[in-house]
Amino acid sequence: KNEVEQSPQNLTAQEGEFITINCSYSVGISALHWLQQHPGGGIVSLFMLSSGKKKHGRLIATINIQEKHSSLHITASHPRDSAVYICAVGGNRDDKIIFGKGTRLHILP
Amino acid sequence: ETGVTQTPRHLVMGMTNKKSLKCEQHLGHNAMYWYKQSAKKPLELMFVYSLEERVENNSVPSRFSPECPNSSHLFLHLHTLQPEDSALYLCASSQASGTGASYGYTFGSGTRLTVV
Repeated sequence: KNEVEQSPQNLTAQEGEFITINCSYSVGISALHWLQQHPGGGIVSLFMLSSGKKKHGRLIATINIQEKHSSLHITASHPRDSAVYICAVGGNRDDKIIFGKGTRLHILP
Repeated sequence: ETGVTQTPRHLVMGMTNKKSLKCEQHLGHNAMYWYKQSAKKPLELMFVYSLEERVENNSVPSRFSPECPNSSHLFLHLHTLQPEDSALYLCASSQASGTGASYGYTFGSGTRLTVV
């Protein structure tokens, strides 16, 4: 079993839909990251969370430490949001981070 | 620009060549990382330099050799690679606290490596 599980693996939605991507983890963490990877490979760090909720534009990230679960929401989705979204957790005991396999999001115009 | 710069962006090399990937960060971070991303696989951590110490992933073949001359620069030296080493190689940096936590992970845009 992977230490970081994301769902769904693939998601296709229509422009304007509300999108939710989930991440569950089984290790103790110091922080959880949501990353965005566009075609071509470049990775952008969207959020780093250790508790609660953060919002940036149309993106919202939440984390429940007790349940070891985080969600990434996209409101009013747009085709330019099409990318792979990766959840990654930073461990308590070392400087390594563990990556989920990513969720491939495709927003149709 | 994210503050982490990788060069070159694309590299094609033969199996007998020797080449190096370069990563530079101007964020004042004290930890740097090499990751490999193969097609349809999660990111794999290759090497970590943290607080001027190297943490090595033992599963990385010796044909990959990292070098970190200072906290701002990181190299990945490549020699006698195999076609299966073709992948996107990503560099990242962060601020390591010394207590085990790291903050502010920032990734470069990656080097797309093709071994022929």
